[in-house]
Amino acid sequence: EVQLLESGGGLVQPGGSLRLSCGASGFTFSGYAMSWVRQTPGKGLEWVSVISGDNVKTEYADSVKGRFTISRDNSKNTLHLQMNSLRAEDTAIYYCAKGPFNWGTLGDSWGQGTMVSVSS
Amino acid sequence: DIQMTQSPSTLSASVGDRVIITCRASQSSRSSLAWYQQKPGKAPKLLIYQGSTLQSAVPSRFSGSGSGTEFTLTISSLQPDDFATYYCQQYHDFATFGPGTKVDIK
Repeated sequence: EVQLLESGGGLVQPGGSLRLSCGASGFTFSGYAMSWVRQTPGKGLEWVSVISGDNVKTEYADSVKGRFTISRDNSKNTLHLQMNSLRAEDTAIYYCAKGPFNWGTLGDSWGQGTMVSVSS
Repeated sequence: DIQMTQSPSTLSASVGDRVIITCRASQSSRSSLAWYQQKPGKAPKLLIYQGSTLQSAVPSRFSGSGSGTEFTLTISSLQPDDFATYYCQQYHDFATFGPGTKVDIK
């Protein structure tokens, strides 16, 4: 059974940094793309970033480009999202999602989410 | 960027009803269109991808059709477990979600 468990969320001041992690189990981690998707009541669902299973390709939403960095450690079955220069509009529930292929922005399994709040 | 719209935004229906949700893309997303179901406090669940391919273990009462800029999700006979919010998502050009359609009890 696929399991994804996010951690690292919390309250941070504008301009601050936060690193999210997602531990994965139940599948061959290196074979699948992994993504971060966020959700707010106001803006709905937004795909934040994706990284290929083979750790070669990454892509970002324009709203986070240059501020967020996605990475993965295939030896530890872990996905990360380094978030810098955080803004109030980054406040959201952040989900990690597994894709069904080595690359692409589809999510066939999702974690339970971790809340990120950016406020002074 | 490809923008997505959905209609209706809310749909009131009864158990056994046939339900159709429409999703439109601002430009062609070919067949790179997925549908998700989300219940309160839970993560989205993938129902359909590639416009019409049913994800494993999803009941056959769910079906998808369309290509290019217009897509539909059909629930042939609404069940109590189906009251939820449904989102379309294009993945032809990075990814964009629609605003969602809430299916509630009539």
